[in-house]
Amino acid sequence: DIQMTQSPSSLSAFVGDRVTVTCRASQNITTFLNWYQQKPGNAPTLLIFATSTVHSGVPSRFSGSGSGTDFTLTITSLQPEDSAIYYCQQSYTTPVFTFGPGTKVEI
Amino acid sequence: QVQLVQSGAEVKKPGASVKLSCKTSGYTFTNYAIHWVRQTPGQGLEWMGWISVGNGNTKYSQRFQGRVTITRDTSATTVYMELTRLRSEDSSVYFCARVGSGWYPLFEYWGQGTLLTVSS
Repeated sequence: DIQMTQSPSSLSAFVGDRVTVTCRASQNITTFLNWYQQKPGNAPTLLIFATSTVHSGVPSRFSGSGSGTDFTLTITSLQPEDSAIYYCQQSYTTPVFTFGPGTKVEI
Repeated sequence: QVQLVQSGAEVKKPGASVKLSCKTSGYTFTNYAIHWVRQTPGQGLEWMGWISVGNGNTKYSQRFQGRVTITRDTSATTVYMELTRLRSEDSSVYFCARVGSGWYPLFEYWGQGTLLTVSS
């Protein structure tokens, strides 16, 4: 099974900061990596898929990069509404999916 | 618009079974797979299983193999997830999620979640 790890587990930053979250897969997943945002009491929502494609309606301050085993989610100019938990997800072994443990971003 | 509406909260005793539903609307039901994901309080997201709604094929996480069954009712455009031999550690929020419109595997639409509490 492919395992996913994320770092850091949590971070605190200021409005306007640039924030980076890292996700690592236990084996090569090429670019089959997605990012979701989850706010308290809500279901996750899709942010980025296929490593770097920003989902429709997602602000352009969100971006993704990487390939193989190492991936990055970047939020440029952090906004108050970006306070959430961010999860990476590998879809290389579809229909079996694996999520990372999440990164809590506090503003 | 695409909607996934899940059934209400459940309280069950250890050893019992529960069957949760995910009522879909706004799209052609048989064209899109549905997955189930759970989230234990304060914990992350855990993939449980999947159903190919068109033909009924399923696949389950090894962690739940033998305890979980996902089915669908095409006339009701509803997917069900049954979990048996419940234990306290199964107390979680359970989500259904629909795959995207393209070929790339992702979860584009989610239900609102169902809280399951397992307690004696």
